[in-house]
Amino acid sequence: DSGVTQTPKHLITATGQRVTLRCSPRSGDLSVYWYQQSLDQGLQFLIQYYNGEERAKGNILERFSAQQFPDLHSELNLSSLELGDSALYFCASSVGGEDTQYFGPGTRLTVL
Amino acid sequence: DAKTTQPPSMDCAEGRAANLPCNHSTISGNEYVYWYRQIHSQGPQYIIHGLKNNETNEMASLIITEDRKSSTLILPHATLRDTAVYYCIVIDRYGGSQGNLIFGKGTKLSVKP
Repeated sequence: DSGVTQTPKHLITATGQRVTLRCSPRSGDLSVYWYQQSLDQGLQFLIQYYNGEERAKGNILERFSAQQFPDLHSELNLSSLELGDSALYFCASSVGGEDTQYFGPGTRLTVL
Repeated sequence: DAKTTQPPSMDCAEGRAANLPCNHSTISGNEYVYWYRQIHSQGPQYIIHGLKNNETNEMASLIITEDRKSSTLILPHATLRDTAVYYCIVIDRYGGSQGNLIFGKGTKLSVKP
């Protein structure tokens, strides 16, 4: 158990819908990262937050957004969902912005 | 693109040492070598990391060559639960990437009874 929690574990929704994935980092960690893992793309970095501020952006679509709240939990919002958004979404956290990342168990999103 | 090259798959007998190689010939002086593993769609699990020196922890040992162009992850006594995809990642922790991890395809290690 890494100490990073993610909810929900599974999410099934329809195309065009919007969903929110939630991540709670390890106690004391200030940085949160989001990654997407699809069958054809592998694990890809989406976005990083550090102490509430966006710090780095990867291949995140404009339909996706994220935020980190004052209690340091983070949410990833996915809108106008497409079939191709079906994937595992992982959250990771680290103490600072450059330290070792510890991953949560992931949320499996299925878009029908 | 990942800066590392790993064999796509390896087999290991249970109880034997598993030696997983990684080539990172373009590594720069500030870049660390990190190893993670992913067991069947679970979240990637941190194993070990190093800069220049060899490292050991309760899970594994990391051997980095003197020129730092390659490394080997050693699982001393592999068990069936070590069957996973192992990722070798080089990262400049203090560079512009701000520490985000770039995963390649990794090595699928199969531990057999």
